[in-house]
Amino acid sequence: GDSVTQMEGPVTLSEEAFLTINCTYTATGYPSLFWYVQYPGEGLQLLLKATKADDKGSNKGFEATYRKETTSFHLEKGSVQVSDSAVYFCALIGDDMRFGAGTRLTVKP
Amino acid sequence: GAGVSQSPSNKVTEKGKDVELRCDPISGHTALYWYRQSLGQGLEFLIYFQGNSAPDKSGLPSDRFSAERTGGSVSTLTIQRTQQEDSAVYLCASSFRDSYNSPLHFGNGTRLTVT
Repeated sequence: GDSVTQMEGPVTLSEEAFLTINCTYTATGYPSLFWYVQYPGEGLQLLLKATKADDKGSNKGFEATYRKETTSFHLEKGSVQVSDSAVYFCALIGDDMRFGAGTRLTVKP
Repeated sequence: GAGVSQSPSNKVTEKGKDVELRCDPISGHTALYWYRQSLGQGLEFLIYFQGNSAPDKSGLPSDRFSAERTGGSVSTLTIQRTQQEDSAVYLCASSFRDSYNSPLHFGNGTRLTVT
């Protein structure tokens, strides 16, 4: 069946550092890919999405590109802020809907 | 418009008691999902509804767990004879499943503590 694997955390960065959270997937079809974010004390929110190969999703300075050849959807941000501290989940919607285990990011001032 | 609403937001119960968790999805969303997030763990899929039927119950961890959805809207997740390992945040999400690209919209969850 479909699955999502994302890098284990926790990840701790200093403000203005570059962020990459790796996500790879396996799927029998052509899924849509998503990143969700959960800020402390809040529910999950959609951060960005990509629906086909080579699409780039972007929001709030975060980007992820749907790479079919490497079955990846890595999340990147050029300069993180303290307010980006949260748990990030990679997810796919295809024949199934699957989430990664989540990566906790802490950004220190 | 209103998002996904879950109640209660917090529930503390004694081991062995039954609990009911409620989810009100976004109006018009045909698909409804229950997930569980234990401390330090990722999301664990529990059950998925399309309308009132549940084509995928594969994630329910035991026969103490059951869920229903009525009128294609509100869903209730019931845990019978709760155990301490049931302590977790239970998240509900809804979407337009008919759309392949439809993302999930999550509620804020119900934090269940079994003492």
